[in-house]
Formats: sequence, C-alpha cells, structure tokens
Amino acid sequence: QSTLTQPASVSGSPGQSITISCTGTNSDVGGYNLVSWYQQHPGKAPKLLIYEVSKWPSGVSNRFSGSKSGNTASLTISGLQAEDEADYYCCAYTTTTTSVIFGGGTKLTVL
Amino acid sequence: EVQLLESGGGLVQPGGSLRLSCVASGFIFGSYTMTWVRQAPGKGLEWVSSISSSASSRYYVDSVKGRFTISRDNSKNTLFLQMNSLGAEDTAIYYCARDPGTHYYWYFDLWGRGTLVTVSS
Repeated sequence: QSTLTQPASVSGSPGQSITISCTGTNSDVGGYNLVSWYQQHPGKAPKLLIYEVSKWPSGVSNRFSGSKSGNTASLTISGLQAEDEADYYCCAYTTTTTSVIFGGGTKLTVL
Repeated sequence: EVQLLESGGGLVQPGGSLRLSCVASGFIFGSYTMTWVRQAPGKGLEWVSSISSSASSRYYVDSVKGRFTISRDNSKNTLFLQMNSLGAEDTAIYYCARDPGTHYYWYFDLWGRGTLVTVSS
C-alpha cells in the first residue's frame, strides 16, 4: 500500500495560520469523507484532531480545521502556538485494500 | 480513566515470534472496533490490522498477511497481535488504537502509549 502525500515540513510564526495538504487518489481521499488528522509530539502517542474531513472530537481546539477538495485534504491551524510544534499525519480510508493509509507526516515548526 | 495499555514488546531475533497485548479500561471494550498501528524508528505511521467488535471481520496490511494475527478477548478487555516470522522491517513501536464504533469508522479516537518491538540478531 502506498502513502498519502504530505509536505515534509511547514513552518509559521506564533499567531499565524498554516495549512498542511494531503494528496491521494479517488480511491481514498477523493472517494469518501473518511479523512482524519493526527498530531504527534516527540515520544508521544498520536492524538486525533479531525475526523470525517472536518469534524472535531471533544476537547480539540477549533483552531484546527479540516477541509477537502477533490483528491486533496487540508488541515489548517490558525493562531499558531508554540505547543502546536509537532508532527501531523493525515489518514484516509481506501477502497483499494479496505483499510486506511496514512500520509508520510509533516513536521510543523513554530518559529 | 479511559485508556489503552500495550505490553509484550521486546527484542526478538529474525524469524522469531512475539505476542502483543493491549488492555482497555474505562469503556466497554466489546463495543468497539480495534486497530494496531506501527511506527518504525524515525518514520511515519503505518496501519497494521483492524478487528471488528465481535471479531467477525479482520483486515491486515499486505506486508503482514500470513504472518500476523489480530484477535481479541472481550471478556478480558484485551486486544492481541500475534506476530510470527518477524523481520527487521517489523521493528517499530506498535500502538493499539480504538475505532469509535462497533463497525469500522476508520479513524482512531483513543491511542495507547505503544510498545517497542525490535527485531535484531
């Protein structure tokens, strides 16, 4: 199974907004609204940020938002804070194998 | 407290076997689909396997089919991953994760801290 395509790194200053893209195919990202996003700090377990493209789990800040256009999903983080510095992964259901595939991950640096 | 706690990782020789466990607490384990996700050192996340709440269906990534078996014991709130014919490519932290439904929603709202599996001679 292949992975979804994410930029390796992005950066932004405190208070700014950044967007992380996640590109797949019409068999995964584009085929269903089953895209989720995870945040992972070094040495920690991943944490669910967004599910079903744009929904927030309980307790997650609305500074994190998700969207999708065609075969590309996006995670936007507004009002960047120092604690947002982490790795971010997208994940999508794929009909190719009846499973999920993850993106390669994006390292966010808060300048 | 709602949590997942993995165990069973360790150092194993190539070709060897290992059985991972994940004990759930704070929620009705038998009502949720469960999943294993792994992360090789310095690499990204990789979905490994999922099992429905009743164990009536199971799915595996191609690279582990025929070698790994996912199972669960709902009476003991425990998820398992039996790993055979291990190779260096299986070296990773293995996370147990909860899918939020009885059937597959294909996202994971609760994660354990992970257990490290190292395959080396």
